[in-house]
Amino acid sequence: GAGVSQSPRYKVAKRGQDVALRCDPISGHVSLFWYQQALGQGPEFLTYFQNEAQLDKSGLPSDRFFAERPEGSVSTLKIQRTQQEDSAVYLCASSPWGLRRGRDGNTIYFGEGSWLTVV
Amino acid sequence: GNSVTQMEGPVTLSEEAFLTINCTYTATGYPSLFWYVQYPGEGLQLLLKATKADDKGSNKGFEATYRKETTSFHLEKGSVQVSDSAVYFCALSKGGYGQNFVFGPGTRLSVLP
Repeated sequence: GAGVSQSPRYKVAKRGQDVALRCDPISGHVSLFWYQQALGQGPEFLTYFQNEAQLDKSGLPSDRFFAERPEGSVSTLKIQRTQQEDSAVYLCASSPWGLRRGRDGNTIYFGEGSWLTVV
Repeated sequence: GNSVTQMEGPVTLSEEAFLTINCTYTATGYPSLFWYVQYPGEGLQLLLKATKADDKGSNKGFEATYRKETTSFHLEKGSVQVSDSAVYFCALSKGGYGQNFVFGPGTRLSVLP
């Protein structure tokens, strides 16, 4: 597609429920990022994929968070046993570049986000 | 580690006023610098960028110059419009991946007619 697509746009989950958030990056983009953005804050890094390899998951806040990108394109962020503090916007971003510095300065392109509310 | 500091908001201006949003960074080496904008209910959109010292990024009337000597990348616009109301994020990238892309906390701008 032309841009990064995320679904669902809005999700209300009951506490304890599992959720899955999908990201469809720009076609051909090597890098894929997940960020968490709490209300009124900047995005905080969760995890990074280069193709299908998850090279950095240091930002995942607990073992309830899991991300995958099995074929190097679409990615899913799964949150198990959701808690109220998980309420946030989950942003996916992609970039055409991998580890090396790209000519565009490693610009990353964001989707519109998945707004998760845990009640 | 790498970090970005922005002026605290919210910033409220009248239409056609001059805008400055300050941004300073801490990083080793030569990061690339970015401004992203987030309109209500939307994701982040790239506004402008600069990849080396003294570069000026510009887009939609906004400008920012990469100042290595002051480690700054202040955002400016000569005449703001109501449609510029949004949250503005300064960010840096060291290349590589993951935590090397760092965002500031954001500055909310409200432009009144």
